[in-house]
Amino acid sequence: EVLLVESGGGLVQPGGSLRLSCAVSGFTFSDYYMDWVRQVPGKGLQWVARSRSKPKGYTTEYAASVKGRFTISRDDSKSSLYLQMNSLKTEDTAVYFCVRGHNSFDLWGQGSLVTVSS
Amino acid sequence: DIQMTQSPSSLSASVGDRVTITCRASQGINEFLGWFQQKPGRAPKSLIYDASNLQSGVPSRFSGSGSGTDFTLTISSLQPEDFATYYCQQYKSYPYTFGQGTKLEIK
Repeated sequence: EVLLVESGGGLVQPGGSLRLSCAVSGFTFSDYYMDWVRQVPGKGLQWVARSRSKPKGYTTEYAASVKGRFTISRDDSKSSLYLQMNSLKTEDTAVYFCVRGHNSFDLWGQGSLVTVSS
Repeated sequence: DIQMTQSPSSLSASVGDRVTITCRASQGINEFLGWFQQKPGRAPKSLIYDASNLQSGVPSRFSGSGSGTDFTLTISSLQPEDFATYYCQQYKSYPYTFGQGTKLEIK
């Protein structure tokens, strides 16, 4: 069974940091690009970041709104994807989804809620 | 950034109806277009990639078409489980962007 399971969300104060994790099973993680997509509750979807696979040098892409504050990374030996979020703002409050970037975004995790509030 | 505009924003239809949702890109994206279905409290589910290719396991009543800037998602005969919000998304260039969503409701 294919699973993408996010963890690490929670409540954090503005200016704080949080690290999301995504544990993957059911496919060869190292073969695929992986992404983070977020959704403000009740609103639309926003792509956040991409991690390419090893043959592509693990290169990354970011949305302008998070560039310089968020860092996407992966550990192929653990089949895990990460999102380090620093200097968090209230507008970063959202559900964060771990997504496989194959044939568009073909597989999604259940999401992890991040709330940035004082 | 490429802007994706869906129409309509909401739609009421009945079981058995044929429904079409439109997505327009602000510039050409070839066929780098995906469609997603999302139900309340759930993660989005991928329906279609490359504008017209059905993801594995997606019922054949769903179909997609288009290229360049204009795309459509068609549901040939609505089923009760199809009432949800639908999103298009371009992956021609970064930042990848989504449409604002189309909420499909029961009439």
